[in-house]
Amino acid sequence: QVQLVESGGGLVKPGGSLRLSCAASGFTFSAYYMSWIRQAPGKGLEWVLYISSSGSTIYYADSVKGRFTISRDNAKSSLYLQMNSLRAEDTAVYYCARTACSSTSCQYYFDYWGQGTLVTVSS
Amino acid sequence: DIQMTQSPSTLSASVGDRVTITCRASQSISSWLAWYQQKPGKAPKLLIYEASSLESGVPSRFSGSGSGTEFTLTISSLQPGDFATYYCQQYHTYSTFGQGTKVEI
Repeated sequence: QVQLVESGGGLVKPGGSLRLSCAASGFTFSAYYMSWIRQAPGKGLEWVLYISSSGSTIYYADSVKGRFTISRDNAKSSLYLQMNSLRAEDTAVYYCARTACSSTSCQYYFDYWGQGTLVTVSS
Repeated sequence: DIQMTQSPSTLSASVGDRVTITCRASQSISSWLAWYQQKPGKAPKLLIYEASSLESGVPSRFSGSGSGTEFTLTISSLQPGDFATYYCQQYHTYSTFGQGTKVEI
């Protein structure tokens, strides 16, 4: 069965950096687009980034452009989120999600989600 | 940017009720819309994609309709496990979620 397990969350000071990881299993990771989506405490969902199956194409939300970078290692079935210049408003649970976009069909909804990892930006 | 507006924000209902949630897009998104259910402390779960396609394993009491700018999620007979927050998501241009609708007793 499809599993996505995030790690790397924690407490970081404003202006600091953090790297999140997502370990995938139960499907052909290299065939699918992947995404990060976040949810501030008590708030709604915010899509953050998509990355294509090869890693060659990346889409960013304006709120993180220039500060966050998404990458993937298909050999390790892993997705990463490098977060720099963190702000208080980046405090959220960060979810790794499989995007329903593969070589056979492509739609940009999220069919499997991890359990999330909490990032808290505070001094 | 495409804005998604859900209504109502909160909905009080009882087991067995028929429930309808509306999602409006600020511009046409064709049928590129998904619906998710989220329970407290859990990740969202996909219910509906492409506006009206039921995700595998999701009970048939959930249905979606609409195209263009107006969409609805209907739960035909509310069950105890359906009390949750529901989100719509457009994926016509990047991705945007609605603000959520909490279905409570």
